[in-house]
Amino acid sequence: SQKIEQNSEALNIQEGKTATLTCNYTNYSPAYLQWYRQDPGRGPVFLLLIRENEKEKRKERLKVTFDTTLKQSLFHITASQPADSATYLCALDISGGYQKVTFGTGTKLQVIP
Amino acid sequence: DGGITQSPKYLFRKEGQNVTLSCEQNLNHDAMYWYRQDPGQGLRLIYYSQIVNDFQKGDIAEGYSVSREKKESFPLTVTSAQKNPTAFYLCASSLSAGPDTQYFGPGTRLTVL
Repeated sequence: SQKIEQNSEALNIQEGKTATLTCNYTNYSPAYLQWYRQDPGRGPVFLLLIRENEKEKRKERLKVTFDTTLKQSLFHITASQPADSATYLCALDISGGYQKVTFGTGTKLQVIP
Repeated sequence: DGGITQSPKYLFRKEGQNVTLSCEQNLNHDAMYWYRQDPGQGLRLIYYSQIVNDFQKGDIAEGYSVSREKKESFPLTVTSAQKNPTAFYLCASSLSAGPDTQYFGPGTRLTVL
């Protein structure tokens, strides 16, 4: 079955630097991959979706890449701010047929002023 | 103001009691989902519904039941058969059951006393 791996250790970076989070998956490549942000005690909020035929997607300070050869997606936040501190989840479809989405465990990002 | 709501935010239950968590959306979405989130774990899918009067089991459906009598509503019942019900429960909806963004509610934290 498809598995998603996100770094379970928290990522601490200095304000203004670029944060890079990793999402690896096993088995077949998903048709699409999504990134969500989750704050403590709240529901996840959608950030970006990237399809298998797209190499890169950008939205303001966010950038997502998708490498089907490496079976990996990278999520970048440039010019990071303390307000970016949260847990970031990646999610992808696991069936190839009916597209049921599965979520990774998330990586906690802490931006230090 | 469009969105997805869950109630209550906090819920306490005695062992052996059934309890129903509410989920309502006014986004006119066809698909709705229930997830469970435990510390250090990703979101795990309990049930999902692609359309009114239809729903399917997710990965951890045992001890839970749902109904989808109206497009806007997808209540989840946690039965006494659920062995470890204390968790954070999240409801989500999407336009369709495909590569669509999922919109999450604020969540219900259930504690069994």
